[in-house]
Amino acid sequence: DAGVIQSPRHEVTEMGQEVTLRCKPISGHNSLFWYRQTMMRGLELLIYFNNNVPIDDSGMPEDRFSAKMPNASFSTLKIQPSEPRDSAVYFCASSFFRAREQFFGPGTRLTVL
Amino acid sequence: AQTVTQSQPEMSVQEAETVTLSCTYDTSENNYYLFWYKQPPSRQMILVIRQEAYKQQNATENRFSVNFQKAAKSFSLKISDSQLGDTAMYFCAFMKNSNSGYALNFGKGTSLLVTP
Repeated sequence: DAGVIQSPRHEVTEMGQEVTLRCKPISGHNSLFWYRQTMMRGLELLIYFNNNVPIDDSGMPEDRFSAKMPNASFSTLKIQPSEPRDSAVYFCASSFFRAREQFFGPGTRLTVL
Repeated sequence: AQTVTQSQPEMSVQEAETVTLSCTYDTSENNYYLFWYKQPPSRQMILVIRQEAYKQQNATENRFSVNFQKAAKSFSLKISDSQLGDTAMYFCAFMKNSNSGYALNFGKGTSLLVTP
């Protein structure tokens, strides 16, 4: 079985550009999570969805960040405009609703110059 | 909000020896779950072991076991017979039992180096 798929694996962009990160959860999973990992702040939740509906977006840093889940098999995290402080590894994870184990994707390493 | 504290930024252990990683947490919840995740240099997050707070018995997965002390809010990970492949960052994580969601709250991690 394919695990959680994220693309791209690496992204280098310039400040001010729009960045879109993509995630395909494991088939059948109905909860999806976006986390960000930085040296300073560690791993922190940005937003999560249950059955394609955003449940908690309190971790989204500011209006420059937006996330969508148009269907059960796809989610995007968009940053517009990007800033150097957005440089981080972004993880997507999925699980069955009410299951306790989350399966993580390989992450996207974002570098904003 | 729940906080998870890992007081050991770095640790090292010799191959075949035993090492214990510490984790404490702060919560007012009674029902929750605790996890240890491993992140090797590949950056992939891998679940090592989990513990349900309502269970008194400590969880065990092969060479990995936990010491769960609910009253003390402590959740340490013991790795027995350490192997070179155990070299990784280890994250302790808390998940509260809620009908609205199950996001993980992570500690800052402990970098473990297993030496020959």
